Amino acid sequence: ETGVTQTPRHLVMGMTNKKSLKCEQHLGHNAMYWYKQSAKKPLELMFVYSLEERVENNSVPSRFSPECPNSSHLFLHLHTLQPEDSALYLCASSQDRGPSYGYTFGSGTRLTVV
Amino acid sequence: GNSVTQMEGPVTLSEEAFLTINCTYTATGYPSLFWYVQYPGEGLQLLLKATKADDKGSNKGFEATYRKETTSFHLEKGSVQVSDSAVYFCAVGEGSQGNLIFGKGTKLSVKP
Repeated sequence: ETGVTQTPRHLVMGMTNKKSLKCEQHLGHNAMYWYKQSAKKPLELMFVYSLEERVENNSVPSRFSPECPNSSHLFLHLHTLQPEDSALYLCASSQDRGPSYGYTFGSGTRLTVV
Repeated sequence: GNSVTQMEGPVTLSEEAFLTINCTYTATGYPSLFWYVQYPGEGLQLLLKATKADDKGSNKGFEATYRKETTSFHLEKGSVQVSDSAVYFCAVGEGSQGNLIFGKGTKLSVKP
């Protein structure tokens, strides 16, 4: 399988639930990212991992907890979310960090918090 | 930090019409510039990019030229098709690490 794969595609969870989003890439890329896409807002960069090490956390609430166990996998663990956290969560990867590298995106997980 | 401003959508065109989606940016230095496209129910796909001033990125009939003097990277296509209906995002790489900063997106609808 090639590209960036995200599972599940859709997720509905209650505010007291704990769930995880999964992202997998088989491109040999060294950097991985989590973005949040909400209606009528620009994509928001949440976390950046480079060589399995978290290098950026853009003031994301602690109810979102990322994990990168190896260079091919990235998780986003969710707990005690709020309805305003409902959005499309996109994972992306790039060969390396740097100004000219484009990103390869997954299809996203559509999250609804009820 | 860097930022991107795109024209507000939605944009509705007839098939074979000429397309322009405006994008301007603010940045320090000379960042790389990108256009991404998002089809319904999918993630973003890289459409084209330019890494230095006066570079022209092109792909699938779409073009954009890196204009440093006007800080612009407008997307153009001479003859759109129904299959081009999607949301288009302009993006700028920020700083030495190149994190992508995206515009809000412009929705394009092409009618037969």
